[in-house]
Amino acid sequence: AQSVTQLGSHVSVSEGALVLLRCNYSSSVPPYLFWYVQYPNQGLQLLLKYTTGATLVKGINGFEAEFKKSETSFHLTKPSAHMSDAAEYFCAVSVVNTGFQKLVFGTGTRLLVSP
Amino acid sequence: EPEVTQTPSHQVTQMGQEVILRCVPISNHLYFYWYRQILGQKVEFLVSFYNNEISEKSEIFDDQFSVERPDGSNFTLKIRSTKLEDSAMYFCASSAEGSYNEQFFGPGTRLTVL
Repeated sequence: AQSVTQLGSHVSVSEGALVLLRCNYSSSVPPYLFWYVQYPNQGLQLLLKYTTGATLVKGINGFEAEFKKSETSFHLTKPSAHMSDAAEYFCAVSVVNTGFQKLVFGTGTRLLVSP
Repeated sequence: EPEVTQTPSHQVTQMGQEVILRCVPISNHLYFYWYRQILGQKVEFLVSFYNNEISEKSEIFDDQFSVERPDGSNFTLKIRSTKLEDSAMYFCASSAEGSYNEQFFGPGTRLTVL
């Protein structure tokens, strides 16, 4: 069964510092992987996704993630944190069964950005 | 930009009462989903819905839960007799295609069962 593990429930960085949020997956088939962001009192917004092709995917707000099959990882990075990046980030793997997709989420990582 | 909306934003109910959570998916989407997030835990899949029927449901989605698309715009989740453990944030999502395409999420309804 597909699953996702996010290491670190909280990550704290200073404004301008590198952001690294870790995600490891388990999948018996080639995975489709997603990062979602949740700002306070809002829904989940897609940051980026990996389906096939280029293993380095770029998303919105300067985020990117690299699919590494050998490490079963899909870590999210951003070179320079902004105060506005403070939010909860969820990694998810897509499970497709008879053509219908469901998302299996990790437990989330709360990113804290200090001035 | 089109978005998924959910009402109410917060629902408080007594144990044993029925609740209906409402969602308006993006208008040209065909696939609909409910997820929930118990406080401090991960977001969990509940059910997917296509062509007026359930396509998949999780083990959480027992006989107390039902979904319906009563008209061309709304998608509802009903819990017949709420339990304390149903307290959670419930997210509705929709997508244009079932496989591999982005699911657009609503802001959620926080359900509190007393």
